[in-house]
Amino acid sequence: QKEVEQNSGPLSVPEGAIASLNCTYSDRGSQSFFWYRQYSGKSPELIMFIYSNGDKEDGRFTAQLNKASQYVSLLIRDSQPSDSATYLCAVRYSSASKIIFGSGTRLSIRP
Amino acid sequence: EAGVTQSPTHLIKTRGQQATLRCSPISGHTSVYWYQQALGLGLQFLLWYDEGEERNRGNFPPRFSGRQFPNYSSELNVNALELEDSALYLCASSSGTVFSNQPQHFGDGTRLSIL
Repeated sequence: QKEVEQNSGPLSVPEGAIASLNCTYSDRGSQSFFWYRQYSGKSPELIMFIYSNGDKEDGRFTAQLNKASQYVSLLIRDSQPSDSATYLCAVRYSSASKIIFGSGTRLSIRP
Repeated sequence: EAGVTQSPTHLIKTRGQQATLRCSPISGHTSVYWYQQALGLGLQFLLWYDEGEERNRGNFPPRFSGRQFPNYSSELNVNALELEDSALYLCASSSGTVFSNQPQHFGDGTRLSIL
């Protein structure tokens, strides 16, 4: 089992709809969870981070964390073509001094 | 506030040569992380430096090494370059250690191509 798993996609969503991206992790003691957006050929850009169970909203983005089920998700409301990118989930493991990245989900917003 | 800066942007080497990549963290950040991202693949953790010390390394051979300077900038050295070392090398910094909850912020990366 991979430490951090994401569906590679591509996930195709019509413009204006809600895009839902999911991530599962294996370390039950994980404390911090991050979502990054990466455009092709560019470096990852931090979108959101979440530490506590529940929802955290920032503009059109909502991160959802469920530690009991070991998943974290990212919702993008009113999807725009500029949201088309690869979204990386990252988890800080409790037992290792490093952050583990998932392989990313490619999101495509169709006009 | 200036972000994480990396140099050079591109680097072309041949097999067997040595490469040096440089990174300057965001002002006030003491932790620097290095990642390798091969084409179409995810981020692979390479090294973590904090306060001048190597704190952790990923599953990479010893020919991948680095250091952190007193001003918290960092170098990544790759010796005896192999074709599969061709990748985007990303540097990130954070204001705390990886045991804190502070997120990492990435530079634009150095694209290393091995001919």
